[in-house]
Amino acid sequence: AQSVTQLDSQVPVFEEAPVELRCNYSSSVSVYLFWYVQYPNQGLQLLLKYLSGSTLVESINGFEAEFNKSQTSFHLRKPSVHISDTAEYFCAVIAAAGNKLTFGGGTRVLVKP
Amino acid sequence: SAVISQKPSRDICQRGTSLTIQCQVDSQVTMMFWYRQQPGQSLTLIATANQGSEATYESGFVIDKFPISRPNLTFSTLTVSNMSPEDSSIYLCSALGLAGPHYNEQFFGPGTRLTVL
Repeated sequence: AQSVTQLDSQVPVFEEAPVELRCNYSSSVSVYLFWYVQYPNQGLQLLLKYLSGSTLVESINGFEAEFNKSQTSFHLRKPSVHISDTAEYFCAVIAAAGNKLTFGGGTRVLVKP
Repeated sequence: SAVISQKPSRDICQRGTSLTIQCQVDSQVTMMFWYRQQPGQSLTLIATANQGSEATYESGFVIDKFPISRPNLTFSTLTVSNMSPEDSSIYLCSALGLAGPHYNEQFFGPGTRLTVL
């Protein structure tokens, strides 16, 4: 079984400042990793994913995440946030041979002007 | 990618009644899932909807309370039975992508926001 820990439940940040959302996972097998974003009153959207290859993955809106196998982490970063990045962010894992996502508790990002 | 729609988008129901939520995917997918997201919480998997057979439920969820159907590859329903205020949540349908660029990627519907009075 897999588990996911998002270390910060809330992250307040000023506009144009950098942000890092921490995600650690536990698994006895190889996993795929995902970050999902949920804007207020909306469903989940995939932000980025790591399946294999380069450990640094990027999204189209400036987020990036780095898979660190030794640290069992998949932290999400953005160098400069916008007001529109205010949302809840979920880290999730799935066993490479499995089909069930396990979600972290979520991190609520509030971008302040 | 798969586009998932859910009906209704929200509902307010009375205690003791039941609500059926529909989920439609615009393309054939291998697996479909139902999640619950309680207020301010993360997502919890309720069950995997299996085509033509009984759903596979996670610990803490039972068929009598959450009957699920999946008559074909693109449609599923979740019923929340004999509702109580504790069932007030967002219920999300999800589907697993097939091979290609969306391999092993789960797509989510917009959710059904349920309030039980």
